Amino acid sequence: AQTVTQSQPEMSVQEAETVTLSCTYDTSESDYYLFWYKQPPSRQMILVIRQEAYKQQNATENRFSVNFQKAAKSFSLKISDSQLGDAAMYFCAYRGDNFGNEKLTFGTGTRLTIIP
Amino acid sequence: GAVVSQHPSRVICKSGTSVKIECRSLDFQATTMFWYRQFPKQSLMLMATSNEGSKATYEQGVEKDKFLINHASLTLSTLTVTSAHPEDSSFYICSARDSAGARRTEAFFGQGTRLTVV
Repeated sequence: AQTVTQSQPEMSVQEAETVTLSCTYDTSESDYYLFWYKQPPSRQMILVIRQEAYKQQNATENRFSVNFQKAAKSFSLKISDSQLGDAAMYFCAYRGDNFGNEKLTFGTGTRLTIIP
Repeated sequence: GAVVSQHPSRVICKSGTSVKIECRSLDFQATTMFWYRQFPKQSLMLMATSNEGSKATYEQGVEKDKFLINHASLTLSTLTVTSAHPEDSSFYICSARDSAGARRTEAFFGQGTRLTVV
């Protein structure tokens, strides 16, 4: 079974600074997808960024980028120029690419606080 | 685009009654929807996978007779909590995947339903 581990329950960063959230996973599959979701106080899950395992290039979305290390099974999220609106719970998630195994497995989450 | 609507957002019910939660994909078709449960300050735990036109697949430890799932159309899945008890109080979230197109790799989430059983 796949597992996703987020070792940082809480993180804080000064506004406008950069912060990196860690995520590791365990799988025996070669093809899969990785995601970072943001859950603000409203509890609406918002997709931040996704990475296909077959792509070597790290995904980027504006101020958000990932460092995907397939061999190390590591998938960290970097937030640049942190803004107050970035404060939320961040969940790393894994999804297999095999038919019938399309569910998301989530990590335990990292609560990010932005310090004004 | 890619909107999933979940209703109601909050519900309070008496112990022993049943509650139905709806999950709709508004602008895409979803052959598969997922139901999660989230306890305070914890992660999302998958309860079941809802398949259009067939029986749901439940995760280990989830009582299928208690959490009834119906996925009668490509845009609607419902979760019914039967004979609810206080321990069923939780935040329930649905998600759906677009069955076709470039968005088929990601899941879109509803707003969640906070269930309180008194």
